[in-house]
Amino acid sequence: DTEVTQTPKHLVMGMTNKKSLKCEQHMGHRAMYWYKQKAKKPPELMFVYSYEKLSINESVPSRFSPECPNSSLLNLHLHALQPEDSALYLCASSQDQAWASVSGEQYFGPGTRLTVT
Amino acid sequence: QKEVEQDPGPLSVPEGAIVSLNCTYSNSAFQYFMWYRQYSRKGPELLMYTYSSGNKEDGRFTAQVDKSSKYISLFIRDSQPSDSATYLCAMNTYNQGGKLIFGQGTELSVKP
Repeated sequence: DTEVTQTPKHLVMGMTNKKSLKCEQHMGHRAMYWYKQKAKKPPELMFVYSYEKLSINESVPSRFSPECPNSSLLNLHLHALQPEDSALYLCASSQDQAWASVSGEQYFGPGTRLTVT
Repeated sequence: QKEVEQDPGPLSVPEGAIVSLNCTYSNSAFQYFMWYRQYSRKGPELLMYTYSSGNKEDGRFTAQVDKSSKYISLFIRDSQPSDSATYLCAMNTYNQGGKLIFGQGTELSVKP
């Protein structure tokens, strides 16, 4: 089973709202990722968690706040977003981050389509 | 110059054709190579994964990596309308902590 689930599927929020995106995997993977994808573009990495600790932050604005409550769950808290933040937000997981003996191939969830009005 | 170059297409082929999708890259440290298929408004689905150079086959799909030429390919045999999607190549190295570098994606349409 290589399933990553994400909720909600769709989200519309105003610029003053606070909302959260959720991601879950039960594959025993220890690395989890958040990506942002705009139309007709490849996914762009935002954050990487490894063993529940933030490993990589790709200089993402502070209005995006990640959280990893346990090894199966990953949240992305959203606050004071801008219309240009509207995108498909993808969660992914891998057995581990890519090291010399581990490929780190990533499995993606279906995404949350976010619209900021 | 982008680290990974991929022709965005669109590519249109008749049903049953052999499809060849390609990426070139500039970073010789890349070791892990992946192909993802992404249907419209869905998340990317891992199709093939290859380590270093060589070929890998899975059903109608064959992935090839030529590290000497910094060139990877995905072949789809007997293409079907259900193969119509965007195909993304992705690669990483062991010292980038899992950061995937994607190509721009090739949009494929298989016509019945």
